[in-house]
Amino acid sequence: EAGVAQSPRYKIIEKRQSVAFWCNPISGHATLYWYQQILGQGPKLLIQFQNNGVVDDSQLPKDRFSAERLKGVDSTLKIQPAKLEDSAVYLCASSLGVVREMFFGPGTRLTVL
Amino acid sequence: GENVEQHPSTLSVQEGDSAVIKCTYSDSASNYFPWYKQELGKGPQLIIDIRSNVGEKKDQRIAVTLNKTAKHFSLHITETQPEDSAVYFCAASTSGTYKYIFGTGTRLKVLA
Repeated sequence: EAGVAQSPRYKIIEKRQSVAFWCNPISGHATLYWYQQILGQGPKLLIQFQNNGVVDDSQLPKDRFSAERLKGVDSTLKIQPAKLEDSAVYLCASSLGVVREMFFGPGTRLTVL
Repeated sequence: GENVEQHPSTLSVQEGDSAVIKCTYSDSASNYFPWYKQELGKGPQLIIDIRSNVGEKKDQRIAVTLNKTAKHFSLHITETQPEDSAVYFCAASTSGTYKYIFGTGTRLKVLA
């Protein structure tokens, strides 16, 4: 079974630029999560989708972050404009939903200069 | 909201010794507690989990215990090996939300 795929793996941008991350969850997984992991900390939930609907986006900085999940499968997370404090690893994860075991992708390491 | 505290932040053990990592949670409604291992440059990987209707679960050298009354759970690794070196995260989740709250992580170093 293929795991959660993410791209790109690394991204370096200047502050105020825009960036987008892509995630392809495990086939059949209805629930998709985007987490932000700042160096030395645990993952923090940004947004959770159930199929293509948003379940929780309470910690998403909506003035600069946006996310969508097209047709309940792939998802993109966008930051516009980026700030220095957005430097982090952005992790995508998926689960079957009811079963709840969550599987993470390898992450995208974002550096904002 | 839910808060998860994890201790210690770093742990060094000799190869073959045991390692114990402890977490406490605040929301008594939490009922699912996974543990993740994160190696450098990789995403967290689920290694073991426990649900609130069970007090202990074991998988080879790894075990997790849960004390619902005290609201804490622990990860036990026996006969540690160098490949166990990584950062370990605990998490708590509540039925109905599927929202995971993670601890701050423990960096485990197994010295050969």
